[in-house]
Amino acid sequence: QKEVEQNSGPLSVPEGAIASLNCTYSDRGSQSFFWYRQYSGKSPELIMSIYSNGDKEDGRFTAQLNKASQYVSLLIRDSQPSDSATYLCAVSGYGQNFVFGPGTRLSVLP
Amino acid sequence: DGGITQSPKYLFRKEGQNVTLSCEQNLNHDAMYWYRQDPGQGLRLIYYSQIVNDFQKGDIAEGYSVSREKKESFPLTVTSAQKNPTAFYLCASSIGQLNGYTFGSGTRLTVV
Repeated sequence: QKEVEQNSGPLSVPEGAIASLNCTYSDRGSQSFFWYRQYSGKSPELIMSIYSNGDKEDGRFTAQLNKASQYVSLLIRDSQPSDSATYLCAVSGYGQNFVFGPGTRLSVLP
Repeated sequence: DGGITQSPKYLFRKEGQNVTLSCEQNLNHDAMYWYRQDPGQGLRLIYYSQIVNDFQKGDIAEGYSVSREKKESFPLTVTSAQKNPTAFYLCASSIGQLNGYTFGSGTRLTVV
């Protein structure tokens, strides 16, 4: 059974701080890694994708991938109250469906 | 604008009743998926379809059925065999398995 694990949180950070969200996965053959943001009562929204080891930056968001350690993370710089949501990690490999983690609830305190 | 439309937004089901959730996409995506989300939990795959007239069971297919007669449409029927159907149902599509999903806005189903 392929697994994706995340701390459920809540992770609380003050406004303006860096929020660090972590995800580990069990399948070494995984090739694609995604971060989704889900506001309460809404559907998930894709915010980052990463396919190779290293960092990928998009605005205030940075995704980090380490395939050797089977670890992917999302950093949110200058966190805002509007970033308060649940963040879902999703992992996929060729010929495989996505496996979603349970999500980490982030709370940014004004 | 391209996207995925789910309807209805809210649905109430009586005991023993079958209900159908609609999912339509105009993104020209080949793959479509149905997920169930329970409060405080992650997404669980119900059914998926990679191509028209073909679909596969996911992890929790019991009590559900689907069809894929058109590329744009992937309706989900929640049958009376599904004993605990109250949940948030999400339809998604993808241009390929290595690409991210686009989700619809979801249908919240409640048993009354």
